[in-house]
Amino acid sequence: ETGVTQSPTHLIKTRGQQVTLRCSSQSGHNTVSWYQQALGQGPQFIFQYYREEENGRGNFPPRFSGLQFPNYSSELNVNALELDDSALYLCASSLNGDSPLHFGNGTRLTVT
Amino acid sequence: SQKIEQNSEALNIQEGKTATLTCNYTNYSPAYLQWYRQDPGRGPVFLLLIRENEKEKRKERLKVTFDTTLKQSLFHITASQPADSATYLCALIENYGQNFVFGPGTRLSVLP
Repeated sequence: ETGVTQSPTHLIKTRGQQVTLRCSSQSGHNTVSWYQQALGQGPQFIFQYYREEENGRGNFPPRFSGLQFPNYSSELNVNALELDDSALYLCASSLNGDSPLHFGNGTRLTVT
Repeated sequence: SQKIEQNSEALNIQEGKTATLTCNYTNYSPAYLQWYRQDPGRGPVFLLLIRENEKEKRKERLKVTFDTTLKQSLFHITASQPADSATYLCALIENYGQNFVFGPGTRLSVLP
């Protein structure tokens, strides 16, 4: 059973740039969600995808967008990066929307 | 306003003692609640799930309770070990997983 993998592990971007983060779901999981975790804080829900459709969204602006592919892998795109976007971005997959989450180890994004 | 809180930012206990972590919430109506463990530089790992109609769940040295009247969950680790040192996160689940809300976490240190 392959776990959730995220790439890249670390990334440094400049304010105003755009970034794409990638996630491969655990085998058999059709739901993927993305979280932003600032240092010393709990993960904040960005959005969830179920069978390629957005199925819930947290309090994040539209410059945070995502995709889920037919193989259930996913991307998180962030446009017009701001300094406050610096955080650990976590991807999690699950069997369905309310079952336990299986997290990857995240992408550490630094915006300078 | 909606709020989820965990009892303290950090908790230090002696090896062999029972650690008790608290999760309180206001203005949420969770169908159930989950607890996760997070080690530095890693994604959270699922530990236990408890539903609104369950009072208590156990798994090996772990026990969780859920009181929907008090709007509180307690998480206990008995016979604690230094390897239990980590940050523990509670998460509320509403709307069949479309709203997944994490608390800020409690950093537990078990001292030998």
